[in-house]
Amino acid sequence: DAGVIQSPRHEVTEMGQEVTLRCKPISGHDYLFWYRQTMMRGLELLIYFNNNVPIDDSGMPEDRFSAKMPNASFSTLKIQPSEPRDSAVYFCASSLGLEAFFGQGTRLTVV
Amino acid sequence: GIQVEQSPPDLILQEGANSTLRCNFSDSVNNLQWFHQNPWGQLINLFYIPSGTKQNGRLSATTVATERYSLLYISSSQTTDSGVYFCAVEASNDYKLSFGAGTTVTVRA
Repeated sequence: DAGVIQSPRHEVTEMGQEVTLRCKPISGHDYLFWYRQTMMRGLELLIYFNNNVPIDDSGMPEDRFSAKMPNASFSTLKIQPSEPRDSAVYFCASSLGLEAFFGQGTRLTVV
Repeated sequence: GIQVEQSPPDLILQEGANSTLRCNFSDSVNNLQWFHQNPWGQLINLFYIPSGTKQNGRLSATTVATERYSLLYISSSQTTDSGVYFCAVEASNDYKLSFGAGTTVTVRA
């Protein structure tokens, strides 16, 4: 298996623009997680899904952030409109409810 | 939520040295994982170790769940061991991993 695949690896966008991050989990995994890593806050969970259903979105910072999982092999994290403080590395992870595996991350820069 | 504390925050080693990293957590856990974040930002799985002891090459880990701590041992360190080591735990009946702040390891040649 190729592991968790995220795209794009890097994204630079202007403040106010919409940004969409994509994730393909490991085949067969039924949990999918979105994390954000910043210097100030470290690694923090934004939202997670079980069998494509959002279970806990309490970590989503505000309404500008939304996540979807239309099927078992694809998820998106959208920020609209983006702000400079959203600049961070966004990780997607998947698991079978035990050991979690992380993608390579998307480094987002909002200017 | 569950609290995760890692120590020390920073560690500088001479190549070939041994070291121990510690992770304390505040509640019962279903899952504990150790990760290595390399200089390119990748999070590499080291151990899935909710309890007991495991070894993988020069690395080993021990989790004492009843006393709420885990240790990661690095033996004969190499420059490629440099990076940030994270401990992450999943509280009982909760599938969310909570991360510690990490230990930044620098191995000098």
